[in-house]
Amino acid sequence: QVQLVESGGGVVQPGGSLRLSCAASGFTFSSYGMHWVRQAPGKELEWVSFLRFDGSNKNYADSVKGRFTISRDNSKNTLFLQMNSLRVEDTAVYYCAKDLDWQLLVFDYWGQGTLVTVSS
Amino acid sequence: DIQMTQSPSSLSASVGNRVTITCRASQDISNSLAWYQLKPGKAPKLLIYATSTLQSGVPSRFSGSRSGTDFTLTISSLQPEDVATYYCHKYNVVPLTFGGGTKVEIK
Repeated sequence: QVQLVESGGGVVQPGGSLRLSCAASGFTFSSYGMHWVRQAPGKELEWVSFLRFDGSNKNYADSVKGRFTISRDNSKNTLFLQMNSLRVEDTAVYYCAKDLDWQLLVFDYWGQGTLVTVSS
Repeated sequence: DIQMTQSPSSLSASVGNRVTITCRASQDISNSLAWYQLKPGKAPKLLIYATSTLQSGVPSRFSGSRSGTDFTLTISSLQPEDVATYYCHKYNVVPLTFGGGTKVEIK
């Protein structure tokens, strides 16, 4: 069965960096687009970034553009999110999500999330 | 950016009752609308995509429909396990956006 397991969350000071990872199993990782979605405490879901199955197309929300970088290692079935210049408003649970297809932009499987707290 | 306005923000209904949640898009998004169910401590779950296509394994009491830029998620007979927060999601173009969520409780 499909499994997505996020890791790398934690507490970081404003201006700091974190790298999130998402280990995927149960499907052919290299054939599907992948996303990061976040939910701040008490807030609605917010899409963060998308990466095409082959890494050739990346998209970002305006709120993270220029600060976050999405990448993947298809040989290790792993998705990454490098987060730099973190702000208090980046505090959220970050979910890794699999695309329903190579680029349909629908999330058919999600991980359980990893908490990122940006605080001084 | 296209905004998704979801209503109500919360509702309480009895077991067996019909429940309806609505999302209104600020522009035409064709049928590019999905619905998700979120429960605390669990991975979010895709219920419906392409407005009305039921994801595999989702009970048939869930259904979706569209009238213009208004989209509806219906639970035909509310069950205790349906207690959750539901979100609509538009995906015709980036940026992908969600509605504000609807918290569903049992009366």
